[in-house]
Amino acid sequence: DTAVSQTPKYLVTQMGNDKSIKCEQNLGHDTMYWYKQDSKKFLKIMFSYNNKELIINETVPNRFSPKSPDKAHLNLHINSLELGDSAVYFCASSQTGEGGELFFGEGSRLTVL
Amino acid sequence: GDSVTQMEGPVTLSEEAFLTINCTYTATGYPSLFWYVQYPGEGLQLLLKATKADDKGSNKGFEATYRKETTSFHLEKGSVQVSDSAVYFCALRSYGSARQLTFGSGTQLTVLP
Repeated sequence: DTAVSQTPKYLVTQMGNDKSIKCEQNLGHDTMYWYKQDSKKFLKIMFSYNNKELIINETVPNRFSPKSPDKAHLNLHINSLELGDSAVYFCASSQTGEGGELFFGEGSRLTVL
Repeated sequence: GDSVTQMEGPVTLSEEAFLTINCTYTATGYPSLFWYVQYPGEGLQLLLKATKADDKGSNKGFEATYRKETTSFHLEKGSVQVSDSAVYFCALRSYGSARQLTFGSGTQLTVLP
């Protein structure tokens, strides 16, 4: 069983559209994250939720809206997509009080045309 | 704020060569330090970690030692294989940092047969 799973793995869409990426973890962790990886492989934290509560909200356009229906799920909705949103989006999870490492999904590659 | 500086890539080595990827950090307090590896088309996987000064993390022949005096966590491997070709990320988590990891810019390693 995949520990952190994201869907879809690939997403190709037009500018101006709205899209969502879903993430689920079956590790029983209490914290989940969204990271954005640009074309140069640089990773930047976007959001983090702990037990369904938002704890990190970096400087991200408000077109990006995370939602955590329960602690095993963290979804990312993007409105009015722009060319610069093209990237790989990674979901991750961790457990408070343990080693501190994050467990990552395989990524969702978003291409905006 | 927290930051991680990695040596610029790409790094190209012949099989069985010695590998060093430099990593230095800036953080408040005593962070935990990590190396992650990203194989082509995949998510990030934890390679090794160290949580306090002078700890040595090791896995799959890779090693890194937490050096507080030089604020470094250099990754080494004595004899690389073609299968080690990947992007390597150094990361840290500060105590009280809302659990996020701060990543370096990544170093692309290519090992030639």
